[in-house]
Amino acid sequence: DQQVKQNSPSLSVQEGRISILNCDYTNSMFDYFLWYKKYPAEGPTFLISISSIKDKNEDGRFTVFLNKSAKHLSLHIVPSQPGDSAVYFCAASAWGGATNKLIFGTGTLLAVQP
Amino acid sequence: NAGVTQTPKFQVLKTGQSMTLQCAQDMNHNSMYWYRQDPGMGLRLIYYSASEGTTDKGEVPNGYNVSRLNKREFSLRLESAAPSQTSVYFCALGDRGATGELFFGEGSRLTVL
Repeated sequence: DQQVKQNSPSLSVQEGRISILNCDYTNSMFDYFLWYKKYPAEGPTFLISISSIKDKNEDGRFTVFLNKSAKHLSLHIVPSQPGDSAVYFCAASAWGGATNKLIFGTGTLLAVQP
Repeated sequence: NAGVTQTPKFQVLKTGQSMTLQCAQDMNHNSMYWYRQDPGMGLRLIYYSASEGTTDKGEVPNGYNVSRLNKREFSLRLESAAPSQTSVYFCALGDRGATGELFFGEGSRLTVL
């Protein structure tokens, strides 16, 4: 049973436009949500996160929105740049003591066309 | 990915062979994790360790063993490799913190023939 779902395997956007990546979750115990970016042959790198007590977090061109009632979060990238082309993973964690086990979605491949 | 070192980066094994993936950190985190990434499956947690000498199973532990002998190192062992274990393996580390972030290594690509 997939607790974190990314239903769009890929997304293509023109340079300068907005990219919107979506993620749904099923476990209401999740209290932190994160977005990771991954280039080929590299490890995932942290992009932005949001606590479940917030509904928006912004960092430069990246904004994450959380809708707890719908169990849905989204990542907005504005404006999109060719260097943003990568696989984006949504992840979530539930409070469990000192460890921080992340549950990942299957990823969305973003292609930003020049 | 500075601070998390994985070895080897590439390995080809025959079915039934054994091998150990090594992970070392210099970031002073207590918690360390092993994930595998497969096409269309995202990253799945194999095992994790909350501190030196403790380990726990994740989502997909079958066919693997781990060892956390000290704070710096966390190894993943395949005792009898199977083609289903062909994957990219990532070591990660991070304790519960302000952002919930984990730091990942660059990955180890394993092929089992």
